[in-house]
Amino acid sequence: AQSVAQPEDQVNVAEGNPLTVKCTYSVSGNPYLFWYVQYPNRGLQFLLKYITGDNLVKGSYGFEAEFNKSQTSFHLKKPSALVSDSALYFCAVISERSGGYNKLIFGAGTRLAVHP
Amino acid sequence: DGGITQSPKYLFRKEGQNVTLSCEQNLNHDAMYWYRQDPGQGLRLIYYSQIVNDFQKGDIAEGYSVSREKKESFPLTVTSAQKNPTAFYLCASSATGGAVDGYTFGSGTRLTVV
Repeated sequence: AQSVAQPEDQVNVAEGNPLTVKCTYSVSGNPYLFWYVQYPNRGLQFLLKYITGDNLVKGSYGFEAEFNKSQTSFHLKKPSALVSDSALYFCAVISERSGGYNKLIFGAGTRLAVHP
Repeated sequence: DGGITQSPKYLFRKEGQNVTLSCEQNLNHDAMYWYRQDPGQGLRLIYYSQIVNDFQKGDIAEGYSVSREKKESFPLTVTSAQKNPTAFYLCASSATGGAVDGYTFGSGTRLTVV
């Protein structure tokens, strides 16, 4: 069965410091991986995705994520956090074997709090 | 601009009432989804539809109903059978398969029982 784990309910980081939000996954076959961000009372916004190719993926707002196949991880990173990065972050996965249709599997979400 | 529109943004329901949440997309996406989000929590899938006139139950379908008469529209009705409907409701859509492009989300509807 496909699954996504975000082991931290909350991540706290000081402004200007690097941040990491962790995500591990389990799928049959190769994964397609996504990160979304949700600000209060808003829908989810797409940040970045890994489909194939370079393991380091760059996305919106200076975020990047590294795909690690051996560790089945797709951690979200940013070199220097901003207070405005404070939000709820979701990792999601789908297997390339899904074929014509399948549903994204979402993690439980990690709340990022960046302190001035 | 292409996107998903959810309305209303805020909705209040009295006990025993049915209410309908609107979701419209102009992305020409085949698949549409409804999620429920409780405060500080993740997403739980209520219903999804792959094509017009077809839909499937998700993980928490009890007390909810949907229709998919048009490709652009996927309204969600919260019935009186849903005992705890206060939550944030998110609609999403994807191109066929959803595998490569992921989902596009609406801005959500916050439903409160009064």
